[in-house]
Amino acid sequence: SQQGEEDPQALSIQEGENATMNCSYKTSINNLQWYRQNSGRGLVHLILIRSNEREKHSGRLRVTLDTSKKSSSLLITASRAADTASYFCATDFGAGKSTFGDGTTLTVKP
Amino acid sequence: EAGVAQSPRYKIIEKRQSVAFWCNPISGHATLYWYQQILGQGPKLLIQFQNNGVVDDSQLPKDRFSAERLKGVDSTLKIQPAKLEDSAVYLCASSARLTGGSSYNSPLHFGNGTRLTVT
Repeated sequence: SQQGEEDPQALSIQEGENATMNCSYKTSINNLQWYRQNSGRGLVHLILIRSNEREKHSGRLRVTLDTSKKSSSLLITASRAADTASYFCATDFGAGKSTFGDGTTLTVKP
Repeated sequence: EAGVAQSPRYKIIEKRQSVAFWCNPISGHATLYWYQQILGQGPKLLIQFQNNGVVDDSQLPKDRFSAERLKGVDSTLKIQPAKLEDSAVYLCASSARLTGGSSYNSPLHFGNGTRLTVT
């Protein structure tokens, strides 16, 4: 399968702690995207990182990409209860098609 | 900007019945996607349109699923006849990305989906 795989499947932390999620994939990509999905809602785009980029930041989010290891990580700093959601990576191999993994479920306890 | 609109929000049908879902993408977005998301899994692409043409429908079960995007704007996804394993959330997404175009690094914008239960 070409899809990305997130690790861990589930993560539970206390408010204020950092959360790190990882995504691995198998073939070369154009870009990699991270999305958040709250229960019963659609996916919301967080960050897109291109294959020639190594790190991107957006507020409390930091994404890294290591194309030699075919992996990416999403770091959420100083987590809040509102960050509780499922997080998905999506890989774009071309033709504008994004392939999703099965996600990491993050629970932030107040 | 207005987001991606989907309807209905929920649908319950019996197996072998038919059902249709509707999607209105973000204005100006050339590319539209339908994804199927089974509980506990990530979204799986069913079909991708660019304007009113099909780019990829390799994962669409064509014996029972059909989709169209008239005039390159709204889209409908139909299932006929439905099976129990079709129970899932059907997500529509749109993007400014164009196949082979300079905007291929544009993200996807999702609607809230239609939750289908087949009994």
